[in-house]
Amino acid sequence: GDSVTQMEGPVTLSEEAFLTINCTYTATGYPSLFWYVQYPGEGLQLLLKATKADDKGSNKGFEATYRKETTSFHLEKGSVQVSDSAVYFCALTHKAAGNKLTFGGGTRVLVKP
Amino acid sequence: DADVTQTPRNRITKTGKRIMLECSQTKGHDRMYWYRQDPGLGLRLIYYSFDVKDINKGEISDGYSVSRQAQAKFSLSLESAIPNQTALYFCATSDPPLETQYFGPGTRLLVL
Repeated sequence: GDSVTQMEGPVTLSEEAFLTINCTYTATGYPSLFWYVQYPGEGLQLLLKATKADDKGSNKGFEATYRKETTSFHLEKGSVQVSDSAVYFCALTHKAAGNKLTFGGGTRVLVKP
Repeated sequence: DADVTQTPRNRITKTGKRIMLECSQTKGHDRMYWYRQDPGLGLRLIYYSFDVKDINKGEISDGYSVSRQAQAKFSLSLESAIPNQTALYFCATSDPPLETQYFGPGTRLLVL
């Protein structure tokens, strides 16, 4: 079955530092890949997505590139802010499977001033 | 107003009690989902519904049941709650062909 593996947290950074969260996946065919973010006390919201190989998703200064050859979708941001403190989830889905999401375990990021 | 709402937001109950968690959406989406979140495990799918007459089990449906009362409403029930059902529960919606899911704020459930 499908699976998503992401680096365990917590990741603690200083403001303006570079952030990378690794995500690798196992799936049949060509899934779509997502990063969702969960701010404290809130539900998940879509951060970015990519639907085919070599696509780059981007939003709010975050980027991730769909790498079919390494089955990866690593999340990066060049200069984090305190407001980026949250839990980040990598996920995948197949349209043929009814868009059911398979999630990684989540990575908590804490940005200190 | 929020597009996906969940009630209650927090609930404490005792072992053996029946409890219902409710989800409502104003997005007009046909597809609705219930997930459970446990620390370090991400979110796991409990049940999903593609329309009012189509309900399907997810990966962890044992001990849960659902009801799709209308396009906009999808309820999750724990017939006899047990402590290992203590978790954060999320409802979500989606609308094909778009793949993005929209999540509610979650219900934090504690079973004593």
